[in-house]
Amino acid sequence: GENVEQHPSTLSVQEGDSAVIKCTYSDSASNYFPWYKQELGKRPQLIIDIRSNVGEKKDQRIAVTLNKTAKHFSLHITETQPEDSAVYFCAASRFNKFYFGSGTKLNVKP
Amino acid sequence: NAGVTQTPKFQVLKTGQSMTLQCAQDMNHNSMYWYRQDPGMGLRLIYYSASEGTTDKGEVPNGYNVSRLNKREFSLRLESAAPSQTSVYFCASSDAGVYSEQFFGPGTRLTVL
Repeated sequence: GENVEQHPSTLSVQEGDSAVIKCTYSDSASNYFPWYKQELGKRPQLIIDIRSNVGEKKDQRIAVTLNKTAKHFSLHITETQPEDSAVYFCAASRFNKFYFGSGTKLNVKP
Repeated sequence: NAGVTQTPKFQVLKTGQSMTLQCAQDMNHNSMYWYRQDPGMGLRLIYYSASEGTTDKGEVPNGYNVSRLNKREFSLRLESAAPSQTSVYFCASSDAGVYSEQFFGPGTRLTVL
């Protein structure tokens, strides 16, 4: 089966700095890579996703890059704000079956 | 639309007791999922159902059973609860397309004593 590894497990940045979270996957047949944000006590919610035929996607301060050859993808958050503080999960999907990374707790210090 | 709903929100069981977690979605999605979330381990797939009438095991199916009652409802049953099943359980659903977003329910916090 698929194995998704996510790093770092915790990340602390100053407000206004950038944050980068990295994930690797093992199954070359995975073709959809969503990122979720989970605030304390809440459900995970999709913030951005990328398909296997796309190398980069951007949505305002958030961007995701995908390197299919190396089987890794990354989340980039620019100009971080305190409300970005949460746990972020990457996932890899094949045939609508999702495998998640272990999560990154992002702390944005004001 | 309510999206994905789960009941109950909280539950405390004693070892050996059984219970069923209920999940329903009103988005006409084909696929439904059950995950458990433990600290530091992300979301792990227990079972999923690609369509009404089908179910398949995920990463951690032992100790659980599921029923896809109809297109809307997907239940998770613990036959004989164990302390290792203490976790937060999330139900999710998605459309049939390859690049379909998953929508999560609010979660059920289960404690097994």
